Amino acid sequence: NAGVTQTPKFQVLKTGQSMTLQCAQDMNHNSMYWYRQDPGMGLRLIYYSASEGTTDKGEVPNGYNVSRLNKREFSLRLESAAPSQTSVYFCATTLFATNEKLFFGSGTQLSVL
Amino acid sequence: AQSVTQLDSQVPVFEEAPVELRCNYSSSVSVYLFWYVQYPNQGLQLLLKYLSGSTLVKGINGFEAEFNKSQTSFHLRKPSVHISDTAEYFCAVSETGGGNKLTFGTGTQLKVEL
Repeated sequence: NAGVTQTPKFQVLKTGQSMTLQCAQDMNHNSMYWYRQDPGMGLRLIYYSASEGTTDKGEVPNGYNVSRLNKREFSLRLESAAPSQTSVYFCATTLFATNEKLFFGSGTQLSVL
Repeated sequence: AQSVTQLDSQVPVFEEAPVELRCNYSSSVSVYLFWYVQYPNQGLQLLLKYLSGSTLVKGINGFEAEFNKSQTSFHLRKPSVHISDTAEYFCAVSETGGGNKLTFGTGTQLKVEL
């Protein structure tokens, strides 16, 4: 089993460019999350999807959009990248809710120049 | 809204010494509490969690944590650390019975030295 797979692993963008980060899970989990990790700030929730067909904003949603394509896939889109979005992005999943263990992908390192 | 404070950004310790990583939380309702560990260039892994019941929780790799409701704390301890415990440790909180949001602290870098 692959678990939680994120693509790409690394990406460099110019300011104003757009891109989509992909996340896929094969654990039949219902809830999926996107976090960003910045030095000294820990992990901050961008968006989450409690179940297929629903999405909700987290702590730092501005500049991002998400799509829960199906139960397996949850993508994060940057429409017009800004240097402030330089970060490491993690996708995570859990079976139903956050009283359970979160499973993390290995991360996407994004640099916006 | 819930929040988590990890006061120590870095904790250096010698191998085989005990260690305590501090975590305090704030919430107006009951909470679930977690400790996650992140090894270099990897995602986070669950060390242990407190949902209810006994306030002393044992996790993987010899770590344990104690929930103290009166002090709103959930400190992580290990009686004897190993070089392989060098990693970043994150405390996290979610509110019981409400939503699916997990809020993380800013992390504590544990550096184990010979």
